[in-house]
Amino acid sequence: AAGVIQSPRHLIKEKRETATLKCYPIPRHDTVYWYQQGPGQDPQFLISFYEKMQSDKGSIPDRFSAQQFSDYHSELNMSSLELGDSALYFCASRPQGNLWYGYTFGSGTRLTVV
Amino acid sequence: AQSVTQLDSQVPVFEEAPVELRCNYSSSVSVYLFWYVQYPNQGLQLLLKYLSGSTLVKGINGFEAEFNKSQTSFHLRKPSVHISDTAEYFCAVSERGGGADGLTFGKGTHLIIQP
Repeated sequence: AAGVIQSPRHLIKEKRETATLKCYPIPRHDTVYWYQQGPGQDPQFLISFYEKMQSDKGSIPDRFSAQQFSDYHSELNMSSLELGDSALYFCASRPQGNLWYGYTFGSGTRLTVV
Repeated sequence: AQSVTQLDSQVPVFEEAPVELRCNYSSSVSVYLFWYVQYPNQGLQLLLKYLSGSTLVKGINGFEAEFNKSQTSFHLRKPSVHISDTAEYFCAVSERGGGADGLTFGKGTHLIIQP
């Protein structure tokens, strides 16, 4: 079965650079969530989208922005990167109104800021 | 807003012994409850979930959990663990209804299986 696809798997950036992470949800999943997991930490909710509109906002820094496109894939844009942004970034998807399969997570993008 | 407390950051258990990983939650509204497992350097895999109905839910890999509304708990259990169960386990909640349905995770419990 198709899963949530995230790219790239690994990314190394220098301080003050920008990064773009991509998430391709499971087909027919119209809701996408972004999470940040620091080393040894629990995942923290950043932001979510439903039908290309932002549906909820968590602890996302102002330096970050995200959007969902017409094909439901989503991109997380990160600017002025800081060392503390080094983390595993997960994307999750689900069909709105149906939690039977829970939230399906991708394998994550490991961002390292040096 | 909701919160999740996993009381044990680390639980060592001998192989083939039973295990219980504790999870308590706090919320001003009704919630859905989930347990996820994370193996080293991998993503989060859904073990089981409670949406409604029977308070005892069974998941993959022989795990089960019981929703206790009065104690606001959702403890995870397995009657006999295997070496391959060594992983980080996260309890999570999301609000019922509305748009604020991002998952709130607990800090995680590292299950260590000893031979």
